Amino acid sequence: QKEVEQDPGPLSVPEGAIVSLNCTYSNSAFQYFMWYRQYSRKGPELLMYTYSSGNKEDGRFTAQVDKSSKYISLFIRDSQPSDSATYLCAMSGRETSGSRLTFGEGTQLTVNP
Amino acid sequence: DGGITQSPKYLFRKEGQNVTLSCEQNLNHDAMYWYRQDPGQGLRLIYYSQIVNDFQKGDIAEGYSVSREKKESFPLTVTSAQKNPTAFYLCASSILGHNQPQHFGDGTRLSIL
Repeated sequence: QKEVEQDPGPLSVPEGAIVSLNCTYSNSAFQYFMWYRQYSRKGPELLMYTYSSGNKEDGRFTAQVDKSSKYISLFIRDSQPSDSATYLCAMSGRETSGSRLTFGEGTQLTVNP
Repeated sequence: DGGITQSPKYLFRKEGQNVTLSCEQNLNHDAMYWYRQDPGQGLRLIYYSQIVNDFQKGDIAEGYSVSREKKESFPLTVTSAQKNPTAFYLCASSILGHNQPQHFGDGTRLSIL
């Protein structure tokens, strides 16, 4: 079983929809949670970073962490065609070897105009 | 502008040939990483380095080699022993520490002729 599970999609939504992307994990030592956005033929770029449980909001994006359920989410409000990309969750903790991150498989999102 | 530069963007390898992928960063980061990305498999760690002249194997190091002679540079060699080298290769760097996000280059796509 993978340490981090993420539904690969693809997910297709109309412009303006609220998008919910999710990851579950099994390692209770994970404390630092990240979301990356990756456009086609490009490298991932850091979108959101959260520590421990709670919510963090940045413009149209909200990251949510529920450590008790080992579940993290990324919400995109008023989705735009420019949000079409693959979204990767990543996480680490104090027991993580070196500075390694554990990544989900990525969810491919398409926002249709 | 600070960032990570990967070159070339596209690379072709003949059977039995070694090829080297370049990764340079000017972010003054101590840690650097190489990942392989295949459809449906997310990011898989090949090698990582936390300090000059030292590096560790990741999850799929067989058929690959690296060096870290300078802080700014972490080249990856795909050897002829890697039987399935066709993939998208991503280099990343970060500040040392369990809570540090990684920053990525825009990748090199390697194909077999």
